[in-house]
Order: sequence, then structure tokens, then C-alpha cells
Amino acid sequence: QVQLVESGGGVVQPGRSLRLSCAASGFSFRSYGMHWVRQAPGKGLEWVAVIWYDGSNKYYADSVKGRFTISRDNSKNTLYLQVNSLRAEDTAVYYCARDHGDGATLSAFDIWGQGTMVTVSS
Amino acid sequence: DIQMTQSPSSLSSSVGDRVTITCRASQSISSNLNWYQQKPGKAPKLLIYAASSLQSGVPSRFSGSGSGTDFTLTISSLQPEDFATYYCQQSYSTSITFGQGTRLEIK
Repeated sequence: QVQLVESGGGVVQPGRSLRLSCAASGFSFRSYGMHWVRQAPGKGLEWVAVIWYDGSNKYYADSVKGRFTISRDNSKNTLYLQVNSLRAEDTAVYYCARDHGDGATLSAFDIWGQGTMVTVSS
Repeated sequence: DIQMTQSPSSLSSSVGDRVTITCRASQSISSNLNWYQQKPGKAPKLLIYAASSLQSGVPSRFSGSGSGTDFTLTISSLQPEDFATYYCQQSYSTSITFGQGTRLEIK
């Protein structure tokens, strides 16, 4: 079945780094744009980043620009989020999500993973 | 960034009620508006895309309308499984934004 599975979260000290992964299955991963969305404990949804189907374009929320990097490996059906210089306010569940569109335009997020928790604490 | 404002922030209703949630954008977003449902501890679920298109598998009691800056999500007859938090999201700009959420509770 169509599925996204995130991994790589954990507890990390401020200023350190993590790499989150999102393994896709059950669909043609290389044909879809992909997003990261986060949700701080008890808060709403915050979009983080998007990457086009072929990796040619990437866009970021202002709150993470310059610190986070989205990438993908279509040969491995995997999406990544490199998160550097972590801050307490980055503490959240991080979801990957598939874009409903044609891979090079923005649309709705029709498939979501279960999320991976990142806790930034000393 | 385009600001998305939902109203109300919370709502108490009964099974069988008709419920409407409103989402307003700070500038025109055409029909690039999507609605999600989220239950505690779960990932969001897409309900409506492009303002009024029902996502496959979503019950027909959910509907969306609007264009430009003003949008609505309507649940025609609330079911017990509909009590959740609902979010709107614009996909007009490359800086995607969500509304703050509307928590729908049982009266």
C-alpha cells in the first residue's frame, strides 16, 4: 500500500544536527513533489520545506532557511531533511508528506507519514 | 507570507449538527486552498483540495467552497468520528501556510 515512514528523530542538544529520513513505498516516488511539515507539542501545523519531483527546486519556511536542507534520492525512494544548528523551538513531530500535484507545482498533501519526534534539549 | 485565519478557533457541536468552519487568506489565493482533519496523536488527513474537490475516500458529508480570500468547510451532519481539529492550508505561494486550526468538540 501507499506508505511513508519517517525515521531519524531523537533527543539532541541545542546547536547539534540530525538527518531525518522518509522512506516511500507503494507509489512512483520519483513522480511526486515531497514536503516536510512539523508540529510542536500542542501546537498547529507548520510547513517546513518542499522539493520538486526531480530535486530541481527547493523552498523553505523562513524559520528554517539556512539551517535545514531538504533532499531526495529517487533511486532509494527516500526523502531527507538535514537539520542543523537546532534550537529549542525546533522541537516538534516532523512529518513527510506527498504533494498531490504533478511534481513541479504545489498542491495538497495527500499522503502523510506517521511522524518522527525531534526534541532539542540540553 | 500569506496569513491564513480560521474561525472559530474552537466549536462545540452535537452529532447530527451542520457545522461550518471559515478560512480567510490575507490575499487572494484563487482556489489553492486545502482542508485537513487531524485527530490526537495522528497525522493529518486530506479532506478537500483545490477549495471544493473531495479527496477520494472522504465521506460526502464534507464539502468545501470559496475562492479568492474566503473559504468554508461544511460538515452536513456531524458523526462521532468527526470530532477532531481541522486546518486550512494555502498552496498558492511557495511559502505554504496553514491556518491555526479549529478544534471541534462534542457538546
